[in-house]
Amino acid sequence: NAGVTQTPKFQVLKTGQSMTLQCAQDMNHEYMSWYRQDPGMGLRLIHYSVGAGITDQGEVPNGYNVSRSTTEDFPLRLLSAAPSQTSVYFCASTTGRGSSPLHFGNGTRLTVT
Amino acid sequence: GENVEQHPSTLSVQEGDSAVIKCTYSDSASNYFPWYKQELGKRPQLIIDIRSNVGEKKDQRIAVTLNKTAKHFSLHITETQPEDSAVYFCAARNAGNQFYFGTGTSLTVIP
Repeated sequence: NAGVTQTPKFQVLKTGQSMTLQCAQDMNHEYMSWYRQDPGMGLRLIHYSVGAGITDQGEVPNGYNVSRSTTEDFPLRLLSAAPSQTSVYFCASTTGRGSSPLHFGNGTRLTVT
Repeated sequence: GENVEQHPSTLSVQEGDSAVIKCTYSDSASNYFPWYKQELGKRPQLIIDIRSNVGEKKDQRIAVTLNKTAKHFSLHITETQPEDSAVYFCAARNAGNQFYFGTGTSLTVIP
């Protein structure tokens, strides 16, 4: 199993550009989520999904869109990139049951100039 | 939602000493509390976890304690080694299955 796969690993955008961060998992996990990590602020929840066709907002959803058309894929879209979105983005998945932790992807380092 | 607070933000210990990191949470319905270790440039990796119906769990040099009444939980690392140096995050899972994280503790073990 590959686990949680994120692409790209690095990305530089200009202000106003749009892009999609890809995330896929092969563990048949129902629950998927996106976090951003900024120095001193830990991991903050952007959006999450409890299953195909269902998404909801987390703590910091503004400027981001998500969709969940399949169990495996959960892409994160930046509609119009801003310098404040410079961050490291992690996708994570879990069964959401019992003692099931979040499994993280390797992250995407995004810089917006 | 859920609010998780973590202290201290930085911690330096001598090799062989113990390290303790403390977290509090706000949502009494939170039921699962994992701890993650993150090395520079890497993804967070689970090191230990505890469910709300358990007060303490130990795995070799690492232990976690949970006080549901006070809504706080702690990570204890004994006999620290230089390879324990990393950033540690606590997290709480609420009833809606969302995970909320503390702001992290940067642990440095001095040889």
